[in-house]
Amino acid sequence: GQQVMQIPQYQHVQEGEDFTTYCNSSTTLSNIQWYKQRPGGHPVFLIQLVKSGEVKKQKRLTFQFGEAKKNSSLHITATQTTDVGTYFCAGGGGGNKLTFGTGTQLKVEL
Amino acid sequence: NAGVTQTPKFQVLKTGQSMTLQCAQDMNHEYMSWYRQDPGMGLRLIHYSVGAGITDQGEVPNGYNVSRSTTEDFPLRLLSAAPSQTSVYFCASRVTGTGSYNEQFFGPGTRLTVL
Repeated sequence: GQQVMQIPQYQHVQEGEDFTTYCNSSTTLSNIQWYKQRPGGHPVFLIQLVKSGEVKKQKRLTFQFGEAKKNSSLHITATQTTDVGTYFCAGGGGGNKLTFGTGTQLKVEL
Repeated sequence: NAGVTQTPKFQVLKTGQSMTLQCAQDMNHEYMSWYRQDPGMGLRLIHYSVGAGITDQGEVPNGYNVSRSTTEDFPLRLLSAAPSQTSVYFCASRVTGTGSYNEQFFGPGTRLTVL
């Protein structure tokens, strides 16, 4: 079945540093979504990418979908303490199911 | 709108007990799903439904049953709880469109411990 891996599993940064998490699928994806989960909270939708090579930005967050539609990345510029949480990618294989990645836990220190 | 609601928030069971986790949404979403979240393993799909009367298995369905009698409700039943089912359970819903192209809205979760 479809597998989606994320690296790194954990990331500690100082406030103001950049952060990147990478998502890799074992199969070609039809779409990829990104979610953020604050500690003790539930996943919240951030964005969806559909097209090969697509790049989308949300303020300090930049999302990319690979040309082969098998990988994606989320980059945060100049992290803030409000960025703390776990970031998940979730890949669609064309059917009704989304396969979630293992997540990257981000901690931001002052 | 309340969005997606789940009850209870916390539950402790003994091995072999059964229980039902409740999930409801007021957004008229046709698609509803149940995930479990374990440390280091992300969210894994247990069961999902594309509309009332229609359910299907996800990647980890064993030990769980679901039914969908109304658009609003999608309960998850643990038939005979086992320690391996200790987890955080999330219910989610979305508009049914083509494939998985719509954002999912998650409930607050139920933290289940099986002793």
